Amino acid sequence: KAGVTQTPRYLIKTRGQQVTLSCSPISGHRSVSWYQQTPGQGLQFLFEYFSETQRNKGNFPGRFSGRQFSNSRSEMNVSTLELGDSALYLCASSPWTGNSEQFFGPGTRLTVL
Amino acid sequence: QQQVKQSPQSLIVQKGGISIINCAYENTAFDYFPWYQQFPGKGPALLIAIRPDVSEKKEGRFTISFNKSAKQFSLHIMDSQPGDSATYFCAASGGRGGADGLTFGKGTHLIIQP
Repeated sequence: KAGVTQTPRYLIKTRGQQVTLSCSPISGHRSVSWYQQTPGQGLQFLFEYFSETQRNKGNFPGRFSGRQFSNSRSEMNVSTLELGDSALYLCASSPWTGNSEQFFGPGTRLTVL
Repeated sequence: QQQVKQSPQSLIVQKGGISIINCAYENTAFDYFPWYQQFPGKGPALLIAIRPDVSEKKEGRFTISFNKSAKQFSLHIMDSQPGDSATYFCAASGGRGGADGLTFGKGTHLIIQP
């Protein structure tokens, strides 16, 4: 099976812009979670989508949003970018929601200038 | 606040030695404890995971030891090899059906010297 794919792999934006990142989960997986990884804060949970519904959201401002499509693919959007949003954004898929194994993609490296 | 504390931050082990990384958690609702391995430029890869109904789980050279009463768990890498040099993260989830996602430790940068 193909793994989790994320596009684009690298992205450079300027402050105030918005960005959309895409994630395709492992075939058959219905849950997609998003994480932000920074040197200072480490890996932090952003949100999880299952059956096109957001199950929960981590402690991030409303500028961070997402959605999931009927084929389980997911997108996350960050509006009004700030310098502090520079990070590696990771998508993880799992067969089901809840305490199941999560498999991560390679991430999208976002740099905000 | 849910937290997972991981130590040490960095670790240097000689080839063939045992690498030990420790984690402690606070939330007793956690019931799933995975370890991830991350190489530079890659996403974290699931290495091994345990649930609190067992005290130890072994897969090849990797072993998780779990102490429920102490709220601690650790990763042991036996016969450590240079290819094991990576950053290792412990994590935990549970309660609310895992709806809060994985809570990660800060990571341990492991270097295996040949």
